Amino acid sequence: DGGITQSPKYLFRKEGQNVTLSCEQNLNHDAMYWYRQDPGQGLRLIYYSQIVNDFQKGDIAEGYSVSREKKESFPLTVTSAQKNPTAFYLCASSTNRGPVPQHFGDGTRLSIL
Amino acid sequence: GNSVTQMEGPVTLSEEAFLTINCTYTATGYPSLFWYVQYPGEGLQLLLKATKADDKGSNKGFEATYRKETTSFHLEKGSVQVSDSAVYFCALSQGAQKLVFGQGTRLTINP
Repeated sequence: DGGITQSPKYLFRKEGQNVTLSCEQNLNHDAMYWYRQDPGQGLRLIYYSQIVNDFQKGDIAEGYSVSREKKESFPLTVTSAQKNPTAFYLCASSTNRGPVPQHFGDGTRLSIL
Repeated sequence: GNSVTQMEGPVTLSEEAFLTINCTYTATGYPSLFWYVQYPGEGLQLLLKATKADDKGSNKGFEATYRKETTSFHLEKGSVQVSDSAVYFCALSQGAQKLVFGQGTRLTINP
């Protein structure tokens, strides 16, 4: 079955370290997205990519970076510049080149040691 | 700017009860409206959507009607099951703009 795979499910980071979250999809979707979810809040868009080798900042891009070298992969790096990185991170994708994700991964929970 | 407001949770119901989760929005023009569901430990799934006024989205026994006059998109189900326990998110998009989510409503169904 096609879908989105995020790994790892749980991730721990020491302060001052960069960490990369993996997102792979085999749905042949053009667009991919990264969202951050905090307790009691809705999702906030970090970055999105509508096509390979192109991506745009979302609402909360500071302290994060992405790449889109392959259609099926959209890794997110949480840098040391992100002051409050503890959150649940969700990757998503969609068939159209618009803002509406149709499929989500199961998420990665990032915690700071 | 665009925004979405959902009813405060958590919501706790007994099995077979009627469910309503309120959602209202603020936007210029005619946004598209969505409900997503997040089961424990998982990502979100698109539950249903409506793209124009008076449209009714439906899926898995859930329904929501796009009401332009009241700027609402309330989620309803006639008889809930324990397996419906999840967090429900209302969201909107407009043109080429990004998706805007409500804060989510946690639903717990007791047997």
